[in-house]
Amino acid sequence: EAQVTQNPRYLITVTGKKLTVTCSQNMNHEYMSWYRQDPGLGLRQIYYSMNVEVTDKGDVPEGYKVSRKEKRNFPLILESPSPNQTSLYFCASRASGGRELFFGEGSRLTVL
Amino acid sequence: AQSVSQHNHHVILSEAASLELGCNYSYGGTVNLFWYVQYPGQHLQLLLKYFSGDPLVKGIKGFEAEFIKSKFSFNLRKPSVQWSDTAEYFCAAHSSGGYQKVTFGTGTKLQVIP
Repeated sequence: EAQVTQNPRYLITVTGKKLTVTCSQNMNHEYMSWYRQDPGLGLRQIYYSMNVEVTDKGDVPEGYKVSRKEKRNFPLILESPSPNQTSLYFCASRASGGRELFFGEGSRLTVL
Repeated sequence: AQSVSQHNHHVILSEAASLELGCNYSYGGTVNLFWYVQYPGQHLQLLLKYFSGDPLVKGIKGFEAEFIKSKFSFNLRKPSVQWSDTAEYFCAAHSSGGYQKVTFGTGTKLQVIP
């Protein structure tokens, strides 16, 4: 089954404790992206990757890092989480030349 | 700058009522348009999309949208909503050439009352 898988789905952590949210897709998509969803703000892009070893900042990259060492994986790293990073995070992927985004189930992160 | 606007933030309807959610975009050149739906506690799913051709696009679950180029609009419609349509709806757009950054609207929460 074609899917985008994120882990963890729910996480409560404390300020400053490094965490990683994993994202994996099994559709051989070149393009992957991270979004955060906040009430009244819709989805805002954090980082994206056009292919392996190619990443770039989206609209709200501050406080986040990403890596793309393999085509299927695109982890989101919060080196020193802060309460303003409490949000619902979505990973998405798309084929090269494709136009539709496929989303993961979401990861709800709370930073205390 | 590219932008997508959804003017209705929260809509409450009774079952069987007709639905129209507004979406306006600001893009130069050719644009691809989408509506995604997010049911409570779930991820976003594609509802329908427009790339070219017939400006009236039909999607899943009886939804349709009309692309009106002169108004920069892509409004979502459904003639008769059901309780199961309760969800948040996002309009999205990207340019059809080059790197296709997707821009989302802020979403419209639809609540359907039985």
